[in-house]
Amino acid sequence: DAKTTQPNSMESNEEEPVHLPCNHSTISGTDYIHWYRQLPSQGPEYVIHGLTSNVNNRMASLAIAEDRKSSTLILHRATLRDAAVYYCILTSNAGKSTFGDGTTLTVKP
Amino acid sequence: EAEVAQSPRYKITEKSQAVAFWCDPISGHATLYWYRQILGQGPELLVQFQDESVVDDSQLPKDRFSAERLKGVDSTLKIQPAELGDSAMYLCASSVIPGQTYEQYFGPGTRLTVT
Repeated sequence: DAKTTQPNSMESNEEEPVHLPCNHSTISGTDYIHWYRQLPSQGPEYVIHGLTSNVNNRMASLAIAEDRKSSTLILHRATLRDAAVYYCILTSNAGKSTFGDGTTLTVKP
Repeated sequence: EAEVAQSPRYKITEKSQAVAFWCDPISGHATLYWYRQILGQGPELLVQFQDESVVDDSQLPKDRFSAERLKGVDSTLKIQPAELGDSAMYLCASSVIPGQTYEQYFGPGTRLTVT
């Protein structure tokens, strides 16, 4: 199964942009890149996904490297409610996803 | 907004007892997943259903765990007998397949404590 590598933790100041990196050097041509986040005592929540092109939605932006071996989740203005564990995962064309341990984002006021 | 329902939210059981968890996915979602999440770790896939068929159960400890989705709608995950190491959060997720993107919607989970 294709795996991803993320830093264990990151810190940000409130109202500043946050760039969360993810490496996925073994990605296959048909794997989608998904990002989820998980607040304490809740199930993961979908954030954004992409295949090759950069993507924007109301929650975040996803920048995908040209070779697709890495991606970056961008939160444009971090708020205290964005403090969570962020997971970068690859989803195969059979729908299988493998989660790593994610990045714990701390947002300081 | 439609949500994935799970019950119970919390379960305490003694080791060697049987325990069951229930999941009702979002209506129309053909794919259903069961994950186990140990505190401090990411979710680990136990089983994936496409309608009523198992697509992947390679990580399911089949000597004690079973899962079914008889009519391709709701699903039950059972553990018998429970062991201390089964204490974890059990998450259910569902997805529809628009263009094969498999965006997953997660339920709130069932927190299992085995004593």
